[in-house]
Amino acid sequence: GESVGLHLPTLSVQEGDNSIINCAYSNSASDYFIWYKQESGKGPQFIIDIRSNMDKRQGQRVTVLLNKTVKHLSLQIAATQPGDSAVYFCAENIDQAGTALIFGKGTTLSVSS
Amino acid sequence: DAGVIQSPRHEVTEMGQEVTLRCKPISGHNSLFWYRQTMMRGLELLIYFNNNVPIDDSGMPEDRFSAKMPNASFSTLKIQPSEPRDSAVYFCASGSPPQGQETQYFGPGTRLLVL
Repeated sequence: GESVGLHLPTLSVQEGDNSIINCAYSNSASDYFIWYKQESGKGPQFIIDIRSNMDKRQGQRVTVLLNKTVKHLSLQIAATQPGDSAVYFCAENIDQAGTALIFGKGTTLSVSS
Repeated sequence: DAGVIQSPRHEVTEMGQEVTLRCKPISGHNSLFWYRQTMMRGLELLIYFNNNVPIDDSGMPEDRFSAKMPNASFSTLKIQPSEPRDSAVYFCASGSPPQGQETQYFGPGTRLLVL
């Protein structure tokens, strides 16, 4: 069945380093992908999204890369800060009607000073 | 914008009791989602509504769970009777699809503990 998963459950980086969080998806029909950030005790917060007609999208300090050939999604965070410490989820939309997101298990990012 | 509002933020109850979780979506959003999050199973979609109509409730665990959306600004998720295995964080999210796809905005969650 379809699944969205993450390659690594945890990632530890030093403040100022660049972080890369990876995600694999299995449904080639998926055409919309979102990265969410969840801080302790809070709900997931939208970071950035990308549609399947793109392979790269940039935001403020974040970049999402999409490789449809190998069904791989990544989130790059530049100059990682302690405030970036959180669990990061990728999600895919596999419903053409547009509303059923499937979430991965999440990667915990720990940033040390 | 106040964002998605959920109440209560924390709920502790005893097994067998009825639990009602409430959600107010972002004004203007026409989709509403209920999720459950646990360490073991991650984020699970329970049910979602479009324009107040339930579209997919296949994620609802069993008949003990029910959800309603009587109007565009309010939804409830009810568990009756509650069981210890229902302990989790329950999130409500809302969205408004451009061209059939949408970003969902999450509320702060309700942390439920069933003893």
